[in-house]
Amino acid sequence: GDSVTQMEGPVTLSEEAFLTINCTYTATGYPSLFWYVQYPGEGLQLLLKATKADDKGSNKGFEATYRKETTSFHLEKGSVQVSDSAVYFCALSVVSGNEKLTFGTGTRLTIIP
Amino acid sequence: DVKVTQSSRYLVKRTGEKVFLECVQDMDHENMFWYRQDPGLGLRLIYFSYDVKMKEKGDIPEGYSVSREKKERFSLILESASTNQTSMYLCASRRLPNQPQHFGDGTRLSIL
Repeated sequence: GDSVTQMEGPVTLSEEAFLTINCTYTATGYPSLFWYVQYPGEGLQLLLKATKADDKGSNKGFEATYRKETTSFHLEKGSVQVSDSAVYFCALSVVSGNEKLTFGTGTRLTIIP
Repeated sequence: DVKVTQSSRYLVKRTGEKVFLECVQDMDHENMFWYRQDPGLGLRLIYFSYDVKMKEKGDIPEGYSVSREKKERFSLILESASTNQTSMYLCASRRLPNQPQHFGDGTRLSIL
Protein backbone atom coordinates (compact mmCIF):
# COMPACT_ATOMS: atom_id res chain seq x y z
CA GLY A 1 0.00 0.00 0.00
CA ASP A 2 0.89 3.67 -0.04
CA SER A 3 3.07 5.02 2.75
CA VAL A 4 5.06 8.08 3.80
CA THR A 5 8.20 8.06 5.93
CA GLN A 6 9.50 11.30 7.37
CA MET A 7 12.40 12.03 9.65
CA GLU A 8 11.72 11.60 13.30
CA GLY A 9 11.76 14.57 15.56
CA PRO A 10 11.86 16.56 17.52
CA VAL A 11 14.13 18.92 15.61
CA THR A 12 15.54 21.96 17.40
CA LEU A 13 17.33 24.72 15.51
CA SER A 14 18.55 28.23 16.18
CA GLU A 15 16.90 31.15 14.43
CA GLU A 16 18.28 31.75 10.89
CA ALA A 17 19.55 28.16 10.60
CA PHE A 18 18.97 26.06 7.47
CA LEU A 19 16.17 23.52 7.73
CA THR A 20 15.75 20.17 6.03
CA ILE A 21 13.01 17.69 6.95
CA ASN A 22 13.31 14.47 5.00
CA CYS A 23 10.31 12.72 3.46
CA THR A 24 10.25 9.59 1.30
CA TYR A 25 7.26 7.72 -0.04
CA THR A 26 6.03 4.51 -1.63
CA ALA A 27 2.99 4.62 -3.86
CA THR A 28 1.21 2.27 -6.23
CA GLY A 29 0.46 4.98 -8.79
CA TYR A 30 1.62 8.51 -9.54
CA PRO A 31 1.07 10.50 -6.37
CA SER A 32 0.64 14.17 -5.65
CA LEU A 33 2.79 15.22 -2.69
CA PHE A 34 2.03 17.70 0.08
CA TRP A 35 3.49 19.33 3.14
CA TYR A 36 1.05 20.38 5.85
CA VAL A 37 1.90 22.43 8.94
CA GLN A 38 0.18 22.35 12.33
CA TYR A 39 0.80 25.32 14.62
CA PRO A 40 0.19 24.86 18.36
CA GLY A 41 -3.49 24.47 19.17
CA GLU A 42 -4.60 24.54 15.55
CA GLY A 43 -5.58 22.16 12.79
CA LEU A 44 -3.45 21.39 9.74
CA GLN A 45 -2.81 23.92 7.00
CA LEU A 46 -1.55 23.17 3.53
CA LEU A 47 1.98 24.56 3.23
CA LEU A 48 2.88 23.50 -0.31
CA LYS A 49 2.27 20.81 -2.89
CA ALA A 50 3.66 19.26 -6.08
CA THR A 51 1.67 17.18 -8.52
CA LYS A 52 4.28 15.68 -10.84
CA ALA A 53 7.94 14.72 -11.01
CA ASP A 54 10.45 17.61 -10.85
CA ASP A 55 7.77 20.08 -9.72
CA LYS A 56 8.87 22.42 -6.94
CA GLY A 57 6.31 23.58 -4.41
CA SER A 58 7.04 26.74 -2.45
CA ASN A 59 5.36 28.95 0.14
CA LYS A 60 6.46 31.23 3.00
CA GLY A 61 10.14 30.58 2.18
CA PHE A 62 9.71 26.79 2.31
CA GLU A 63 10.46 24.64 -0.73
CA ALA A 64 10.19 20.99 -1.67
CA THR A 65 10.98 19.27 -4.97
CA TYR A 66 9.20 16.13 -6.19
CA ARG A 67 12.00 13.64 -6.91
CA LYS A 68 10.63 10.54 -8.60
CA GLU A 69 14.02 8.84 -8.93
CA THR A 70 14.58 8.92 -5.18
CA THR A 71 10.87 8.89 -4.21
CA SER A 72 11.47 11.91 -2.01
CA PHE A 73 9.91 15.28 -1.19
CA HIS A 74 12.23 16.90 1.34
CA LEU A 75 11.17 20.19 2.94
CA GLU A 76 13.76 22.98 3.07
CA LYS A 77 13.99 26.56 4.28
CA GLY A 78 17.08 28.70 4.10
CA SER A 79 16.59 30.74 7.28
CA VAL A 80 14.06 29.65 9.88
CA GLN A 81 12.24 31.94 12.30
CA VAL A 82 10.76 31.35 15.74
CA SER A 83 7.31 31.55 14.15
CA ASP A 84 8.12 28.42 12.10
CA SER A 85 7.92 26.29 15.26
CA ALA A 86 5.21 23.74 14.49
CA VAL A 87 4.61 20.13 13.51
CA TYR A 88 5.17 19.36 9.83
CA PHE A 89 3.45 16.50 8.01
CA CYS A 90 4.38 15.05 4.65
CA ALA A 91 1.48 13.45 2.77
CA LEU A 92 0.58 11.90 -0.56
CA SER A 93 -2.51 11.14 -2.56
CA VAL A 94 -2.78 8.88 -5.57
CA VAL A 95 -5.15 9.63 -8.42
CA SER A 96 -7.67 6.84 -8.02
CA GLY A 97 -11.05 8.47 -8.01
CA ASN A 98 -11.16 9.32 -4.33
CA GLU A 99 -7.63 10.57 -3.65
CA LYS A 100 -7.35 9.93 0.04
CA LEU A 101 -4.42 11.51 1.83
CA THR A 102 -1.78 9.27 3.41
CA PHE A 103 0.23 11.09 6.08
CA GLY A 104 3.64 10.64 7.61
CA THR A 105 3.97 10.62 11.38
CA GLY A 106 4.90 14.31 11.63
CA THR A 107 8.08 16.14 12.66
CA ARG A 108 8.00 18.61 15.53
CA LEU A 109 10.21 21.64 14.84
CA THR A 110 11.28 24.08 17.55
CA ILE A 111 13.21 27.25 16.72
CA ILE A 112 15.21 28.88 19.48
CA PRO A 113 15.83 32.65 19.35
CA ASP B 1 -11.50 31.69 3.54
CA VAL B 2 -12.82 28.21 4.16
CA LYS B 3 -14.02 27.68 7.69
CA VAL B 4 -14.22 24.19 9.17
CA THR B 5 -15.67 24.33 12.66
CA GLN B 6 -15.57 21.51 15.19
CA SER B 7 -18.10 21.87 17.96
CA SER B 8 -15.76 21.25 20.91
CA ARG B 9 -12.05 21.85 21.49
CA TYR B 10 -11.94 19.61 24.56
CA LEU B 11 -14.30 16.83 25.60
CA VAL B 12 -14.24 14.39 28.51
CA LYS B 13 -16.51 11.34 28.48
CA ARG B 14 -16.81 8.05 30.31
CA THR B 15 -16.29 4.51 29.08
CA GLY B 16 -19.43 3.13 27.47
CA GLU B 17 -20.99 6.49 26.66
CA LYS B 18 -22.22 7.33 23.17
CA VAL B 19 -20.20 10.31 21.95
CA PHE B 20 -20.96 12.70 19.11
CA LEU B 21 -18.33 14.90 17.48
CA GLU B 22 -19.72 17.52 15.14
CA CYS B 23 -18.09 19.25 12.19
CA VAL B 24 -19.51 22.01 10.01
CA GLN B 25 -17.99 23.62 6.90
CA ASP B 26 -19.23 26.81 5.30
CA MET B 27 -17.95 26.52 1.73
CA ASP B 28 -20.35 24.03 0.16
CA HIS B 29 -17.64 21.37 -0.07
CA GLU B 30 -18.60 17.96 -1.42
CA ASN B 31 -16.08 15.87 0.48
CA MET B 32 -15.60 15.61 4.24
CA PHE B 33 -13.24 13.53 6.38
CA TRP B 34 -12.63 12.44 9.97
CA TYR B 35 -9.11 11.64 11.19
CA ARG B 36 -7.57 10.83 14.51
CA GLN B 37 -4.12 12.08 15.41
CA ASP B 38 -1.91 10.19 17.83
CA PRO B 39 1.75 10.78 18.76
CA GLY B 40 4.09 8.74 16.58
CA LEU B 41 1.25 7.61 14.30
CA GLY B 42 0.43 10.79 12.42
CA LEU B 43 -3.10 11.18 11.07
CA ARG B 44 -5.20 8.14 10.31
CA LEU B 45 -8.41 8.26 8.33
CA ILE B 46 -11.51 6.98 10.13
CA TYR B 47 -14.34 7.71 7.66
CA PHE B 48 -15.01 9.98 4.73
CA SER B 49 -18.00 11.16 2.77
CA TYR B 50 -18.21 12.26 -0.85
CA ASP B 51 -21.73 13.59 -0.68
CA VAL B 52 -24.82 13.82 1.48
CA LYS B 53 -25.83 10.46 2.91
CA MET B 54 -22.74 8.81 1.43
CA LYS B 55 -19.95 7.40 3.57
CA GLU B 56 -16.95 5.17 3.14
CA LYS B 57 -14.69 3.49 5.65
CA GLY B 58 -11.18 4.74 6.03
CA ASP B 59 -8.24 2.89 7.50
CA ILE B 60 -9.46 2.56 11.11
CA PRO B 61 -13.31 2.57 11.17
CA GLU B 62 -13.75 0.03 13.98
CA GLY B 63 -15.70 1.46 16.90
CA TYR B 64 -16.89 4.49 14.94
CA SER B 65 -19.78 5.47 12.72
CA VAL B 66 -20.65 8.67 10.86
CA SER B 67 -23.65 10.64 9.70
CA ARG B 68 -24.01 13.15 6.91
CA GLU B 69 -27.62 14.28 6.61
CA LYS B 70 -26.74 17.75 5.30
CA LYS B 71 -23.93 18.78 3.01
CA GLU B 72 -22.29 21.13 5.50
CA ARG B 73 -22.32 18.80 8.52
CA PHE B 74 -20.41 15.58 9.14
CA SER B 75 -20.76 13.86 12.51
CA LEU B 76 -18.49 11.23 14.02
CA ILE B 77 -20.12 8.85 16.50
CA LEU B 78 -18.43 6.65 19.05
CA GLU B 79 -21.11 4.07 19.73
CA SER B 80 -19.66 2.92 23.06
CA ALA B 81 -16.58 4.91 24.00
CA SER B 82 -13.47 3.09 25.17
CA THR B 83 -10.24 4.38 26.67
CA ASN B 84 -8.28 3.53 23.51
CA GLN B 85 -10.36 6.13 21.69
CA THR B 86 -8.75 8.92 23.69
CA SER B 87 -7.17 11.03 20.97
CA MET B 88 -7.20 14.24 18.95
CA TYR B 89 -9.91 14.15 16.28
CA LEU B 90 -9.61 16.29 13.17
CA CYS B 91 -12.29 17.04 10.60
CA ALA B 92 -11.46 18.18 7.07
CA SER B 93 -13.30 19.14 3.91
CA ARG B 94 -12.53 19.80 0.26
CA ARG B 95 -14.49 20.81 -2.79
CA LEU B 96 -13.18 18.20 -5.24
CA PRO B 97 -10.76 15.24 -5.18
CA ASN B 98 -7.89 17.16 -6.80
CA GLN B 99 -8.02 20.06 -4.35
CA PRO B 100 -6.38 20.35 -0.92
CA GLN B 101 -8.19 19.50 2.29
CA HIS B 102 -9.05 22.21 4.82
CA PHE B 103 -8.90 21.23 8.48
CA GLY B 104 -10.72 22.24 11.64
CA ASP B 105 -8.82 23.01 14.86
CA GLY B 106 -9.47 19.58 16.31
CA THR B 107 -11.29 18.08 19.30
CA ARG B 108 -9.17 16.59 22.06
CA LEU B 109 -11.28 13.75 23.43
CA SER B 110 -10.51 11.98 26.70
CA ILE B 111 -12.33 8.79 27.65
CA LEU B 112 -12.10 7.99 31.35
